[in-house]
Amino acid sequence: SQTIHQWPATLVQPVGSPLSLECTVEGTSNPNLYWYRQAAGRGLQLLFYSVGIGQISSEVPQNLSASRPQDRQFILSSKKLLLSDSGFYLCAWGGIFSGNTIYFGEGSWLTVV
Amino acid sequence: AQSVTQLDSHVSVSEGTPVLLRCNYSSSYSPSLFWYVQHPNKGLQLLLKYTSAATLVKGINGFEAEFKKSETSFHLTKPSAHMSDAAEYFCVVSTLGTYKYIFGTGTRLKVLA
Repeated sequence: SQTIHQWPATLVQPVGSPLSLECTVEGTSNPNLYWYRQAAGRGLQLLFYSVGIGQISSEVPQNLSASRPQDRQFILSSKKLLLSDSGFYLCAWGGIFSGNTIYFGEGSWLTVV
Repeated sequence: AQSVTQLDSHVSVSEGTPVLLRCNYSSSYSPSLFWYVQHPNKGLQLLLKYTSAATLVKGINGFEAEFKKSETSFHLTKPSAHMSDAAEYFCVVSTLGTYKYIFGTGTRLKVLA
């Protein structure tokens, strides 16, 4: 069966510091991968999605970037965090092996102070 | 273009009474529709999905939803609420091959003892 892992689960970072959130998927190949952000009390905002290694689509201009160095690895990064980057970040995977359904990781809480 | 509207941001029900969470969608093509549940500080869990088969879809934990094309609706129901159903619920629309999933803003369900 397929599983998705993301880490770290929580982190507190000062303004201006870098960020790296990592997500990996097991039990499938060539998944579509997604990063969403959920601000407190709000819905989900799609940040990036990827349909293959090195193929990244950005949905909104912002202080973040994403990379996909391996087939089942998706990384969310920032060189300098802003206060507004605080939120709950969710990685997800989908594709032909998921029946057109996306499945989510457990999320990462980021607080920028 | 696709969109989804969850008509209620908050719903309160008493334990043992029916649950109705409303969702309307807009899609240029035959949509895939999903309901996800999110418990506090957790990732999203798939409750059920509609992908052009039976219009009445049964999901986990006693939830079901009915696809009504004429009304462009996909409302989520449960005959009898449990305390453990208290969570946030998201309606999602997608179209095969688009790689994109559009989320509603969520409905927070409160279950009163």
